[in-house]
Amino acid sequence: GDSVTQMEGPVTLSEEAFLTINCTYTATGYPSLFWYVQYPGEGLQLLLKATKADDKGSNKGFEATYRKETTSFHLEKGSVQVSDSAVYFCALSEGGYQKVTFGTGTKLQVIP
Amino acid sequence: DTEVTQTPKHLVMGMTNKKSLKCEQHMGHRAMYWYKQKAKKPPELMFVYSYEKLSINESVPSRFSPECPNSSLLNLHLHALQPEDSALYLCASSQAQTYSNQPQHFGDGTRLSIL
Repeated sequence: GDSVTQMEGPVTLSEEAFLTINCTYTATGYPSLFWYVQYPGEGLQLLLKATKADDKGSNKGFEATYRKETTSFHLEKGSVQVSDSAVYFCALSEGGYQKVTFGTGTKLQVIP
Repeated sequence: DTEVTQTPKHLVMGMTNKKSLKCEQHMGHRAMYWYKQKAKKPPELMFVYSYEKLSINESVPSRFSPECPNSSLLNLHLHALQPEDSALYLCASSQAQTYSNQPQHFGDGTRLSIL
C-alpha cells in the first residue's frame, strides 16, 4: 500500500536559518503530493502541492519539488521565522478514491 | 479564516452521554470527511461522504455514527464513548472524492474529552 516517510522531529532552528524537511513516499501509481501545516490548536492547512513529476509547489517562501526518480518531496525554506513554528505533514493522494496518506508529521520550532 | 466550520470547539462528556459534532462548508464541495487525531500523530480517516452518501467507513466502532443531511453539512453522533476516544476530531471537505489532485480543506476541529 501507499506510505509516506518523514524525518523525525522535533527540528529546532534559529530565526533566518535554512529549513529542509525530508519526505519520501511509496505509491503504486502516480500520486499527487501535498504539504500541510498544523499550527497549535488549529486544523491542517494546505501549504503547497504538486501533481506530476518535476512540478514545484511553492507558497509563503516554502518550496517542494516532486521528484519521481527518488520518490521524494522535500520541503525547503530559505529563511525561517518564529511564526513558522508548527507541525508539517507530508501527504499523498492517488487513485479514484481520495484517501490521503499522511506522514507522521515533523514539528518545527524556530527560536529568536 | 477557515472555510470549514466545526462546532463545538471543545466538548467534555461522560461515557453515557449522547452528543453530536457538527461541520459546515459553503465551498460547493461534494466530498466530506471525518478524521480522528491523537496528540503528536497524523489524522486517521474515519468516514468519507461523497455526494451525501457514505462512501468509506474505516471500520469505526458503532458508537460513532455519521450523518450528512445535505451537501453542506456533516454531523458525527457520539454515544457511549470510551476514554480512549478522547482526541481532536477534524472535519474536511474536497471538491470531489475522485479528484485526487485536489487538496482537502480542514476545519479547526473539536477537542473531545471523555470522562
